[in-house]
Amino acid sequence: EVQLVESGGGLVQPGGSLRLSCAASGFTFSSYWMHWVRQVPGKGLVWVSRINSDATYTSYADSVKGRFTTSRDNAKNTLYLQMSSLRAEDTAVYYCARDPFIPVAGEWGQGTLVTVSS
Amino acid sequence: DVVMTQSPLSLPVTLGQPASISCRSSQSLVYSNGDTYLSWFQQRPGQSPRRLIYKVSNRDSGVPDRFSGSGSGTDFTLKISRVEAEDVGVYYCMQGTLWPGGTFGQGTKVEIK
Repeated sequence: EVQLVESGGGLVQPGGSLRLSCAASGFTFSSYWMHWVRQVPGKGLVWVSRINSDATYTSYADSVKGRFTTSRDNAKNTLYLQMSSLRAEDTAVYYCARDPFIPVAGEWGQGTLVTVSS
Repeated sequence: DVVMTQSPLSLPVTLGQPASISCRSSQSLVYSNGDTYLSWFQQRPGQSPRRLIYKVSNRDSGVPDRFSGSGSGTDFTLKISRVEAEDVGVYYCMQGTLWPGGTFGQGTKVEIK
């Protein structure tokens, strides 16, 4: 069974940093692109970032470019989102997802809540 | 940047009746390899999103066959042939053809009348 388990969320002050993790199991992690998506509670889904299977390519939404960094450790089957210079508008539930566009993929984790507030 | 526009944003439906959600993109979603990377997701209340459809019309394993996707180019549709109570939630389309940004539609809330 495919499992994606996010962790690392919490309360952080504006300007602070946080690192989210997404532990993957049930599939060959190193073969798939992975994505981060966020959702302000009660609002819609917003794509944040993606990374290719061997971590040689990443891309980001304009709203987080230069502040967030996506990485992965294929030996540990884990995806990361390093967030810095956090702002109140970064407050959201953050989900990791296995490639949303190809067959036998598309799963999401349960999400982790990040709250940026003083 | 590509914009994904869903309609309607709210869809009250009678149990057992059909439902249809439209998703339109501001640019063609046909990729250079001929594929169209348009997926549909369901988010039930209090749950994570779940993919229903990928590449316009391919249903994921375990998804009831009352769900179907269709369309091409810039116009896409998700149909539920007979709405059941468990179908209540918000439905999103998402494009994966035009990068660097993946783009979601605003979401369509399906509720029972």
